Amino acid sequence: AQKITQTQPGMFVQEKEAVTLDCTYDTSDPSYGLFWYKQPSSGEMIFLIYQGSYDQQNATEGRYSLNFQKARKSANLVISASQLGDSAMYFCAMREVGRDDKIIFGKGTRLHILP
Amino acid sequence: NAGVTQTPKFRVLKTGQSMTLLCAQDMNHEYMYWYRQDPGMGLRLIHYSVGEGTTAKGEVPDGYNVSRLKKQNFLLGLESAAPSQTSVYFCASSDRYEQYFGPGTRLTVT
Repeated sequence: AQKITQTQPGMFVQEKEAVTLDCTYDTSDPSYGLFWYKQPSSGEMIFLIYQGSYDQQNATEGRYSLNFQKARKSANLVISASQLGDSAMYFCAMREVGRDDKIIFGKGTRLHILP
Repeated sequence: NAGVTQTPKFRVLKTGQSMTLLCAQDMNHEYMYWYRQDPGMGLRLIHYSVGEGTTAKGEVPDGYNVSRLKKQNFLLGLESAAPSQTSVYFCASSDRYEQYFGPGTRLTVT
């Protein structure tokens, strides 16, 4: 069964510093996708970035990049040059592609950016 | 292009009442999902659909039913609401590489 683990319930980071949010996963399926989402205090879920298991390069989207280490089964989100507006909950999720296609979430990490 | 919309945004039910939450997407996505979010629990998958006319159980399906009669709509039903179903409900739709969420429905069962 697929499983997603986010071990950091909360983090405090100084503004302008880089942030790494941890995510590990467990699956026996060779084809899967990994997602990261941001949930600000207003409550909406915002899609940030996607990494496929067969992608050769780490995904990047603006200040977001995904540090994908397949052998370690980790998919950490890196936010460069953090901003006050980055304060939010962040969720990692995984889909087993073609198996059942359900998308399962981790419990999230609450990120606080300090001025 | 509205993306994913959910109806209603808020609802209060009494124990034992029934209701249907409606999710609609205009992105022609095959996949649709219903999640619930409780404090400290992240998002838990209730039911999902991989195409029109199909549905499947997620992590916490008990007490809920779903239907996907049209590709753009995914309905979540509560036949007999219980206080344990007080939560924020999110609908999402996806293609292979992105998943988009609706704004959520805050449901309180008293």
